[in-house]
Amino acid sequence: GQQLNQSPQSMFIQEGEDVSMNCTSSSIFNTWLWYKQDPGEGPVLLIALYKAGELTSNGRLTAQFGITRKDSFLNISASIPSDVGIYFCAGLPLQGAQKLVFGQGTRLTINP
Amino acid sequence: DSGVTQTPKHLITATGQRVTLRCSPRSGDLSVYWYQQSLDQGLQFLIQYYNGEERAKGNILERFSAQQFPDLHSELNLSSLELGDSALYFCASSVKAGKGTDTQYFGPGTRLTVL
Repeated sequence: GQQLNQSPQSMFIQEGEDVSMNCTSSSIFNTWLWYKQDPGEGPVLLIALYKAGELTSNGRLTAQFGITRKDSFLNISASIPSDVGIYFCAGLPLQGAQKLVFGQGTRLTINP
Repeated sequence: DSGVTQTPKHLITATGQRVTLRCSPRSGDLSVYWYQQSLDQGLQFLIQYYNGEERAKGNILERFSAQQFPDLHSELNLSSLELGDSALYFCASSVKAGKGTDTQYFGPGTRLTVL
């Protein structure tokens, strides 16, 4: 089945640093979504991308839908302690039902 | 708060038992999706319902079933439970059936522990 490769798997950074993570796929996706999940909670939608090449910001977060439709990245600028958590990319295939395919997640740890 | 509610938050049961998880979608959303999140498999799509009808199936076991009621809430039934069924089960909802761009919003999840 379709899979998303998300990297890095984990990041350890200092507060104030910028963060970058990405997802790649062997197949084309119609939509890319980025979620953040805190322990014991459900994924919370951060950014949704609907068009190839689209660059969208949400506060300190910026994400882009790759031109090839096979990749996306998420950047977090000037990280703060509440950014800690697991970030997931998710993609919707080009056709068919809304079967979200998730990446493995990037665990972000911030040292104050 | 995504607007999607799930009950119960925690569920502890024994192998061989049957449980029902409940989900209420966001107001106005017609589609409900169920996902399973386990440590080794990550987040996996199980099944989707749209306006009461099954729309798509993913990696859902035959021991599992779901339905969506006229008021649009959904229930996921898990039977003959095994230790490996222990996981977080999430419900998500969206407005549309599955065409074009449609964003899914997740509930807080139900943590199932099978002893």
